[in-house]
Amino acid sequence: DVVMTQTPVSLPVSLGGQASISCRSSQSLVHSNGNTYLHWYLQKPGQSPQLLIYRVSNRFSGVPDRFSGSGSGTDFTLKISRVEPEDLGDYYCLQSTHFPRTFGGGTKLELK
Amino acid sequence: EVQLQESGPGLVKPSQSLSLTCSVTGYSITSNYWGWIRKFPGNKMEWIGHISYSGSTSYNPSLKSRISITRDTSKNQFFLQLNSVTTEDTATYYCARYSSSFDYWGQGVMVTVSS
Repeated sequence: DVVMTQTPVSLPVSLGGQASISCRSSQSLVHSNGNTYLHWYLQKPGQSPQLLIYRVSNRFSGVPDRFSGSGSGTDFTLKISRVEPEDLGDYYCLQSTHFPRTFGGGTKLELK
Repeated sequence: EVQLQESGPGLVKPSQSLSLTCSVTGYSITSNYWGWIRKFPGNKMEWIGHISYSGSTSYNPSLKSRISITRDTSKNQFFLQLNSVTTEDTATYYCARYSSSFDYWGQGVMVTVSS
């Protein structure tokens, strides 16, 4: 299985500040079709995960441009600028290039 | 708008089978892929498997001997059956649509395995 190593586990931030979360995979996430299936999710307390970024850098419908994704191969980053209260929660990366699909361990974004 | 809703028992006894239903509205399950994902206490997330628009399935090898994902296209529903459950299957179970990523999710159903 592809192991997704997500860091940090906990990320204290100030409102209005910036946050950066890393996700590294144990093998390349470039599919044979040339696409890279690395996605980012936010799960707020009591809610289901919501898609933020798909295929590395594409914002899902309705996601503010404060969220941005980047990376390639095995190394990926989610950046959140101007953190707002509704951004707090658990962030996960997911790879769907390889079977079985695998998730990162999660990062809790919380107030400093 | 695509909406998914899980349903099923919240408590299952060890060694019994867990059966969940995902009801989909706003989109036909004869398009795209439809999956099951679970989140364990402690926050680890695991992909369980999916069923495709054509009815073919793919399962996580760690569960393959115990699971079955089926569908009823007339009701626009798909199902998860997990056999021989143990306490380690205690988790919140989600169904979701897969369209190059899991883009729409149900609210989840918490399932506890306990005698």
